[in-house]
Amino acid sequence: KAGVTQTPRYLIKTRGQQVTLSCSPISGHRSVSWYQQTPGQGLQFLFEYFSETQRNKGNFPGRFSGRQFSNSRSEMNVSTLELGDSALYLCASSLRQGDSGNTIYFGEGSWLTVV
Amino acid sequence: KNQVEQSPQSLIILEGKNCTLQCNYTVSPFSNLRWYKQDTGRGPVSLTIMTFSENTKSNGRYTATLDADTKQSSLHITASQLSDSASYICVVSPVTGGGNKLTFGTGTQLKVEL
Repeated sequence: KAGVTQTPRYLIKTRGQQVTLSCSPISGHRSVSWYQQTPGQGLQFLFEYFSETQRNKGNFPGRFSGRQFSNSRSEMNVSTLELGDSALYLCASSLRQGDSGNTIYFGEGSWLTVV
Repeated sequence: KNQVEQSPQSLIILEGKNCTLQCNYTVSPFSNLRWYKQDTGRGPVSLTIMTFSENTKSNGRYTATLDADTKQSSLHITASQLSDSASYICVVSPVTGGGNKLTFGTGTQLKVEL
């Protein structure tokens, strides 16, 4: 069974540009969540989607957005990139929302460098 | 102040030795507490999940304990191997309705040497 797949794995963008990252969850999983990981702040929750609806949102500016499609695949977008957006962006999927105690599986992440 | 604090920040041990990593949290109430292992440049991998009513959970050489009264958890690694070298992250899930809005600890960087 394939794991959580994220594309692209690595990318370099220029300040002011926008970027779209993609995530394919494990087959059958309906919950997809996104996280940002930086050396200074560690792992931080961005948002979660379940059945195409945003269920929770972290404390990030509106430049960070996402969506989920009917096949549970998800994308996140960051507009007007800033140097501080350089990070590892992790996508995770689970059968149901996390408070049910089910395992949350992470992808390998997308490394974003903003120059 | 981070709601999930881990100690030590880093640790070096010899192969074959045991070690215990600590996690103190202030997130309350919470639904479950998880431990993840993250190799450098890779995504985190789940080790254990405990609800607030569980005291211990094992996964092979990994054993996690939880004391909800003192708001502390620990991860014990037995007979360490070189492949255990990684960052270990304590993660707290909020109560029902919080979904996957996880609160992550700062992590403990473990290095196992020959």
